[in-house]
Amino acid sequence: GQQVMQIPQYQHVQEGEDFTTYCNSSTTLSNIQWYKQRPGGHPVFLIQLVKSGEVKKQKRLTFQFGEAKKNSSLHITATQTTDVGTYFCAADSGTYKYIFGTGTRLKVLA
Amino acid sequence: GAVVSQHPSRVICKSGTSVKIECRSLDFQATTMFWYRQFPKKSLMLMATSNEGSKATYEQGVEKDKFLINHASLTLSTLTVTSAHPEDSSFYICSARPGRNYGYTFGSGTRLTVV
Repeated sequence: GQQVMQIPQYQHVQEGEDFTTYCNSSTTLSNIQWYKQRPGGHPVFLIQLVKSGEVKKQKRLTFQFGEAKKNSSLHITATQTTDVGTYFCAADSGTYKYIFGTGTRLKVLA
Repeated sequence: GAVVSQHPSRVICKSGTSVKIECRSLDFQATTMFWYRQFPKKSLMLMATSNEGSKATYEQGVEKDKFLINHASLTLSTLTVTSAHPEDSSFYICSARPGRNYGYTFGSGTRLTVV
């Protein structure tokens, strides 16, 4: 079945440093979504990418969808302590059923 | 924005009993809702797709007789964990969205502990 892997599994950064998480699918995707889950909380939708090579920005967050639509990345510029949490990609291969990636847990050290 | 309400947030039950978890879309109609299970520090595992007015679609390895799903209206889906055992203890979360161009909104989750 479809597998969605994320790397790294964990990342500790100093506040102000940049952070990137990568999402890789074993199959070509229709679209991909990104979510953030704070410790003890539930996932919160961040963004959806649909087009090949698409790049979207939300303030310090930059999301990219690969040309082959099999991978994606989330980059955070100048991390803040409020960025702490686990970032998940969620992949749809065309069935509108989203498979969540393994997640990247981010810790930001003040 | 779209709101999904999930109850209860926490439940402790005895082995052998059944627990019902409710998921409601408060300001939109949802013909489809999804149920996930999440173990500590792990990703969300899709359990089943709940379809309004028809049978749920279960993922491979998920026992349909153990996890009963009912989607009786466009705003309510329920997950019943039947004859619960300690290994069913987990965080259960539902999600839904107003339309295909929207991201999914998640309920706040239910932490089930079976003792």
